[in-house]
Amino acid sequence: DVKVTQSSRYLVKRTGEKVFLECVQDMDHENMFWYRQDPGLGLRLIYFSYDVKMKEKGDIPEGYSVSREKKERFSLILESASTNQTSMYLCASSLIGGNQPQHFGDGTRLSIL
Amino acid sequence: GQQVMQIPQYQHVQEGEDFTTYCNSSTTLSNIQWYKQRPGGHPVFLIQLVKSGEVKKQKRLTFQFGEAKKNSSLHITATQTTDVGTYFCAARETSGSRLTFGEGTQLTVNP
Repeated sequence: DVKVTQSSRYLVKRTGEKVFLECVQDMDHENMFWYRQDPGLGLRLIYFSYDVKMKEKGDIPEGYSVSREKKERFSLILESASTNQTSMYLCASSLIGGNQPQHFGDGTRLSIL
Repeated sequence: GQQVMQIPQYQHVQEGEDFTTYCNSSTTLSNIQWYKQRPGGHPVFLIQLVKSGEVKKQKRLTFQFGEAKKNSSLHITATQTTDVGTYFCAARETSGSRLTFGEGTQLTVNP
């Protein structure tokens, strides 16, 4: 089974802090994704990566950056956290190709105070 | 970007009743996937539809892809308490690996 592991289940940070969310997958997947999930809004794509050091903006990239130095690891960075970034963050991975399912981690519930 | 509308947002049913959620896009889709998220859990892939008019079944769940490949539905026959959760459709346009998720339908089942 595919395992997608997110570093923290719950995280509390302060406004203005730089926040790192880590995601690791163990199935040699080319694609990795970061979403945020908010009630009534579904899953919104922040950034995705289809290869090491490659990244593409999703629908809501403002205030975020990403890093993919190794194939198995995809990091989401909040450069200067703000209260409107309080949310559930989900990482996913998939094989390359248009017909592949995405496999999700358990999520990180991030609160910015 | 692409938008995918999913209705209803919430559905409460008595155990044994049927349930349907609908997903609509203004553009033609390459394929559509369905995911289920249990309370406190993460989305889990259920199925993918690719062909126009395709119908697939998984036990009590029936998935349909519209003839024009712009809409899809998930129907659950005789719901059980184990069906509780949020059901998401996720659509892919012509190419690439990214999906656009609908807002989800949260299903609660009263025993």
